[in-house]
Amino acid sequence: QQPVQSPQAVILREGEDAVINCSSSKALYSVHWYRQKHGEAPVFLMILLKGGEQKGHEKISASFNEKKQQSSLYLTASQLSYSGTYFCGTEGAYNFNKFYFGSGTKLNVKP
Amino acid sequence: GAVVSQHPSWVICKSGTSVKIECRSLDFQATTMFWYRQFPKQSLMLMATSNEGSKATYEQGVEKDKFLINHASLTLSTLTVTSAHPEDSSFYICSARLAGYVEQYFGPGTRLTVT
Repeated sequence: QQPVQSPQAVILREGEDAVINCSSSKALYSVHWYRQKHGEAPVFLMILLKGGEQKGHEKISASFNEKKQQSSLYLTASQLSYSGTYFCGTEGAYNFNKFYFGSGTKLNVKP
Repeated sequence: GAVVSQHPSWVICKSGTSVKIECRSLDFQATTMFWYRQFPKQSLMLMATSNEGSKATYEQGVEKDKFLINHASLTLSTLTVTSAHPEDSSFYICSARLAGYVEQYFGPGTRLTVT
């Protein structure tokens, strides 16, 4: 049930790009992306619902593939504030109200 | 809008006692609330899903007699950890969802330490 997330950790210099992947063995209803800072609750980034959808806000964007089993989060021109752990959360196409998080990707942006 | 609060923010209790955590949706009616547990450096694990007025649905491996969930109203859900043990020490986070909407809104979390 838990989606597979990769990579586990990324170290970047300010201004560099990163891609985080999230995949499921089954079709999904939705993919949610969150960023969590140490000791805090996750902060919502975006949701993808439609196969083939891409959306973004400022320099963070995400895509959801046509089969709705895989999503990627793109961080471009990273800033120090992007540091944290990124989680994808998935809801199954036939299992609504069951929400499972990936194992997380720890992103460390250095000056 | 869409603010979820949790109370308390942190709690330290002795082994064997019970602890209640409240989750409130402040500006919307949450037909569904989720409870998660997060151990250090690990992901969030869904414990249970509760719908207002009905019994919570627990995930496999979560003891329903130990983690009592009550979703008494559209704005309040409570999680009671009964007979807490040190291994129950964790970060407990709730989230809330409005019927017909995809988004879920997270509370700030409650850090439970059992001594």
